[in-house]
Amino acid sequence: QVTLRESGPALVKPTQTLTLTCTFTGFSLSASGVSVSWVRQPPGKALEWLALIEWDGDKYYSTSLKTRLTISKDSSTNQVVLTMTNMDPVDTATYYCARMGIGYWAFDTWGQGTVVTVSS
Amino acid sequence: DILMTQSPATLSVSPGERATLSCRASQSVSTNLAWYQQKPGQAPRLLIYDASTRATGIPAKFSGSGSGTDFTLTISSLQSEDFAVYYCQQHNNWPLTFGPGTKVDIK
Repeated sequence: QVTLRESGPALVKPTQTLTLTCTFTGFSLSASGVSVSWVRQPPGKALEWLALIEWDGDKYYSTSLKTRLTISKDSSTNQVVLTMTNMDPVDTATYYCARMGIGYWAFDTWGQGTVVTVSS
Repeated sequence: DILMTQSPATLSVSPGERATLSCRASQSVSTNLAWYQQKPGQAPRLLIYDASTRATGIPAKFSGSGSGTDFTLTISSLQSEDFAVYYCQQHNNWPLTFGPGTKVDIK
């Protein structure tokens, strides 16, 4: 059974750096074709894709946020980490990690999400 | 970036009726399009990928069609559990992009 779970601080101050961890089970990020992504959703708004890391270490980022984002993986501990620098209140959102389907580029399994509020 | 638009923003449907949702891409995405359902307080759920392939466990009442820039999600005979927000997402080009969503509510 494939599961993903997000963890990180619920509250961060403006200008701080956010670090989120996605811990997954049921698959290996060392296996060919596997990738994990981060997606966020501000309250009452649409989904926004942030970043993706592939099994071979290739990384892709949102155009508008790429200067602030870093995605990394630790295949030995089954974790994917997202850091976002210079947090602002507009970054308040639910942050999801999700696995891409094997053989197709859509998110077939999602974590339950973690709510991050940016406020002083 | 490829801009995804969805129409209508809100669709009011009576239970038992069919719903037709539209998604348009600002440039061709071939058939590299997915549809998701999201209910309040829940993570999205994959319904359709590659424009018309149902994801594992998705009932046949959900069907997708289209290619290039214009896509449709059809939900036949809506039941209470189908009232939700539906998002399209292109997976043809980086960065991946989502549409703004269509809310399907009870008429």
